[in-house]
Amino acid sequence: AQSVTQLGSHVSVSEGALVLLRCNYSSSVPPYLFWYVQYPNQGLQLLLKYTTGATLVKGINGFEAEFKKSETSFHLTKPSAHMSDAAEYFCAVSDWAGNQFYFGTGTSLTVIP
Amino acid sequence: NAGVTQTPKFQVLKTGQSMTLQCAQDMNHEYMSWYRQDPGMGLRLIHYSVGAGITDQGEVPNGYNVSRSTTEDFPLRLLSAAPSQTSVYFCASSYSPSLNQETQYFGPGTRLLVL
Repeated sequence: AQSVTQLGSHVSVSEGALVLLRCNYSSSVPPYLFWYVQYPNQGLQLLLKYTTGATLVKGINGFEAEFKKSETSFHLTKPSAHMSDAAEYFCAVSDWAGNQFYFGTGTSLTVIP
Repeated sequence: NAGVTQTPKFQVLKTGQSMTLQCAQDMNHEYMSWYRQDPGMGLRLIHYSVGAGITDQGEVPNGYNVSRSTTEDFPLRLLSAAPSQTSVYFCASSYSPSLNQETQYFGPGTRLLVL
């Protein structure tokens, strides 16, 4: 079965500092990996996804993630945090057929001015 | 396009009552799904549909029924609500069932409180 683990349910960074949100996956087949963002009282929005090809994936709002098969990781980064980045972030993996998503438990990002 | 819409936004039920959460999309998407979001649990898939007339169970289907009579609508039914079903429910849709290639679009959610 597919699963993802997000380390750290809450992360705080200063405005302008590096953002690093961790995600490790468990998959018996090559995974498809995703990061979603949820702003307060809203639905989820896709930030980026890895399917095949380049292991460094760039997404919206300056975020990027690197697929590392040897470490079974797909960490999300942003060089410089902005106040508007404060939100909940979810890592997800899909099954081999792409019909079902398995979400992590989420990481709440706080940006300190 | 309105995207994915959900009604109601908030609902309070008593244990044992039934209700239907509505979900509609106007993007002609084949794939639709329902998730529940609980604190510390992330989102968990309840049911999904790969097209009109076709539905399947996700991770946590017990206590919920779905049907897909049209491409646009995917209602979620609680036949006998229980306090354990207190949650935030999200509907999502995608152009094709292959979520690896297509983007899922999420609705704004329905907050359900079962007393």
